[in-house]
Amino acid sequence: EAGVTQSPTHLIKTRGQQATLRCSPISGHTSVYWYQQALGLGLQFLLWYDEGEERNRGNFPPRFSGRQFPNYSSELNVNALELEDSALYLCASSLDRGRSGGYTFGSGTRLTVV
Amino acid sequence: QQQVKQSPQSLIVQKGGISIINCAYENTAFDYFPWYQQFPGKGPALLIAIRPDVSEKKEGRFTISFNKSAKQFSLHIMDSQPGDSATYFCAASDQTGANNLFFGTGTRLTVIP
Repeated sequence: EAGVTQSPTHLIKTRGQQATLRCSPISGHTSVYWYQQALGLGLQFLLWYDEGEERNRGNFPPRFSGRQFPNYSSELNVNALELEDSALYLCASSLDRGRSGGYTFGSGTRLTVV
Repeated sequence: QQQVKQSPQSLIVQKGGISIINCAYENTAFDYFPWYQQFPGKGPALLIAIRPDVSEKKEGRFTISFNKSAKQFSLHIMDSQPGDSATYFCAASDQTGANNLFFGTGTRLTVIP
């Protein structure tokens, strides 16, 4: 069974540009979660999508947005990039909104803003 | 505001020793407490999890101890091995509510041969 796949693996952008990160969940998983992992800050919750709808978002500005497609894959968009957006962005997926267990994470996209 | 507080930030243990990582939370609505293990270049992987109806859960060398009244839980790694060297994250969620997993800041464990 394929795990959660994220692309690209690495992304380098200039301050002010836009970044698009992609995530394909495990087959059958309807929920997708996005987390930001910055150095020393652990994993900060960004967004949760389930059945195509945004269900919850973390304490991040509106320039962090995303969507979930009918095949449950998801896209995270970061507009007007700032230097402090440099981080590892992790996507996770789960069955039944995670109620039967934990999340399965992908290996992440390393975003560097210069 | 950090929903889950984790300590220590880093831990060095001799091979064969016991590694102990502690976490504390405030939200009494949390009802699911997993631990994740992350190796460099990889995403976190679920290691073991506990729900508040039990005080301890053991899987192989890994044990979670849970103290509901103190709102604390900990991970014990018995007979620690160099292959256990990784970053460990505790987490908590309210599965009947918003259902977001809130993570601690992580503990970098190094097991010395």
